[in-house]
Amino acid sequence: DIQMTQSPSSLSASVGDTVTITCRASQSIRRYLNWYQQKPGKAPKLLIYVASSLQSEVPSRFSGSGSGTDFTLTISSLQPEDFATYYCQQSYNTPWTFGQGTKVEI
Amino acid sequence: QVQLVQSGSELKKSGASVRVSCKSSGYTFSDYPMNWVRQAPGQGLEWMGWINTNTGTPTYAQGFTGRFVFSLDTSVSMAYLQISSLKAEDTAVYYCARDQNVEASAMDVWGQGTTVTVSS
Repeated sequence: DIQMTQSPSSLSASVGDTVTITCRASQSIRRYLNWYQQKPGKAPKLLIYVASSLQSEVPSRFSGSGSGTDFTLTISSLQPEDFATYYCQQSYNTPWTFGQGTKVEI
Repeated sequence: QVQLVQSGSELKKSGASVRVSCKSSGYTFSDYPMNWVRQAPGQGLEWMGWINTNTGTPTYAQGFTGRFVFSLDTSVSMAYLQISSLKAEDTAVYYCARDQNVEASAMDVWGQGTTVTVSS
């Protein structure tokens, strides 16, 4: 199975900050990498698919980049509603696997 | 609008069975595969597998074979997850999630989650 490792596990930030979360795959997954946001008690929400494609209705302050084994999710100008946990997920080979999550808090 | 609505919370005893339902609306059910994802209390997301909503063929991730069964009722656009011989470690929130199946797999619509609590 492909292992996904996110860093950091948590971070503190302020409204207006730019935040970067990194995801590393244990082998090349080309660009088959998705990002999700999850708020407490809620279902995950798809933000980015195939590394850099913005899901419909997701604000443009979210962006993704990377290919191969190293990927990045960037949130520009952090808003209050962005405080949440973020997960990467590879869709290169089944079983699909998720990173352990990155909690973005104030 | 496109949505998935899951059945309500369940409290079960060890050894019992449970069935979680996932009702789709707002799109053609058989056009999109359905995934199942587990989230244990305070933990991350774990992909359980998926079911081809066209053929009904399920695929299970390792660790979810034997006691876990995915099924469909396409006449009412429903997907089901059945778990038998429940154990305490099955306590979790279970999500169904549609696969957008565009360019590559990604879970673009999620149910609200069903909490299954297993007590001894």
